[in-house]
Amino acid sequence: GAGVSQSPSNKVTEKGKDVELRCDPISGHTALYWYRQSLGQGLEFLIYFQGNSAPDKSGLPSDRFSAERTGGSVSTLTIQRTQQEDSAVYLCASNGGSTDTQYFGPGTRLTVL
Amino acid sequence: AQSVTQLDSHVSVSEGTPVLLRCNYSSSYSPSLFWYVQHPNKGLQLLLKYTSAATLVKGINGFEAEFKKSETSFHLTKPSAHMSDAAEYFCVVSGADMRFGAGTRLTVKP
Repeated sequence: GAGVSQSPSNKVTEKGKDVELRCDPISGHTALYWYRQSLGQGLEFLIYFQGNSAPDKSGLPSDRFSAERTGGSVSTLTIQRTQQEDSAVYLCASNGGSTDTQYFGPGTRLTVL
Repeated sequence: AQSVTQLDSHVSVSEGTPVLLRCNYSSSYSPSLFWYVQHPNKGLQLLLKYTSAATLVKGINGFEAEFKKSETSFHLTKPSAHMSDAAEYFCVVSGADMRFGAGTRLTVKP
């Protein structure tokens, strides 16, 4: 597609369940970022993939969070044993280099009941 | 290491008055700097970006920002606020990676 896509657009889950969020970046973009935006909060950096380099995981809030990027393209963010404080909009973005504009997906709204 | 600080979490202005949203950055590189806007229930939209060309950058919707290396600042301004400008604004620094500020919520009063 022409832009970054994310799925699902909305996810409602029960506390303690695992969830997977998917991001399809723009074709050819080497950098991929995950952020989250909690209600009333700013954007929070989670993890950054750049090409084949080891990802920068410094923003992951706990070991329940993990992410993969397969084949340098699609990325999956996994949250295990979800908690209510995990409820947020999870945004994915990609760009083709450090000076390029970052293109954002529409986000996945996660609600943990 | 890079970081960005948005000095005000909330700014309130009256319609027709100037807007100033402040951003300071720290970077070991010659950074690129961006401002994004997020309207309620909408995705992020690029307002403008600085990439080492002219230090005064003009963006969409009448916004502009000036890169001041000596002050490590990239403040966002608009001469006259409009009701539709009410949104969350994010300053971003880009070098080896990209870092977002915490955001500034702009409220515009009639």
